[in-house]
Amino acid sequence: SYVLTQPPSVSVAPGQTARITCGGNNIGSKSVHWYQQKPGQAPVLVVYGDSDRPSGIPERFSGSNSGNTATLTISRVEAGDEADYYCQVWDSSSDHVLFGGGTKLTVL
Amino acid sequence: EVQLVQSGAEVKKPGESLKISCKGSGYSFTSYWIGWVRQMPGKGLEWMGIIYPGDSDTRYSPSFQGQVTISADKSISTAYLQWSSLKASDTAMYYCARIVRSLDYWGQGTLVTVSS
Repeated sequence: SYVLTQPPSVSVAPGQTARITCGGNNIGSKSVHWYQQKPGQAPVLVVYGDSDRPSGIPERFSGSNSGNTATLTISRVEAGDEADYYCQVWDSSSDHVLFGGGTKLTVL
Repeated sequence: EVQLVQSGAEVKKPGESLKISCKGSGYSFTSYWIGWVRQMPGKGLEWMGIIYPGDSDTRYSPSFQGQVTISADKSISTAYLQWSSLKASDTAMYYCARIVRSLDYWGQGTLVTVSS
């Protein structure tokens, strides 16, 4: 079955750029979505379709997807960006939703 | 405004049954898939299954097939997740979400605690 692999944690200083990866076999051929989840809250969609942002999501959040790796990039990181981030795809071969294991972003 | 409102927290004993709900508003409920996601304490998101309220077409994750039942009542724009016999390991937060390609709107979550 298809597996999405994320690093457990990423740390970055305020004002710097955070990059969170999501690995999968030929993931570049799939549409990748990213969610932010803060403690005690429901997940929020921050990037869909590899690189599109829902309304209300800051331009600091961007995404890319090629080959075997999709990346969520957060520019000019703020303390409020500290959260867990999950990637997700739709596996058309099995008609199933798949989530990555999640990455905890720590703002130093 | 699209909203998904879930039923309140539940405390149950092992072996009991339970049905939690997710009511959609602000959009055509019968035209979008609804998914259920489990999050165990301190863990990541796990997809459980999806339902298309328009015709009740339902798909389950292999991990949850036979363990839960997903249903919907389109007349009241509500999706359901139910258990016939709860286990302590069912203790978790459960979220519903509307599915386009992504899960674009989420409910607030329903905390289910199973303890003797």
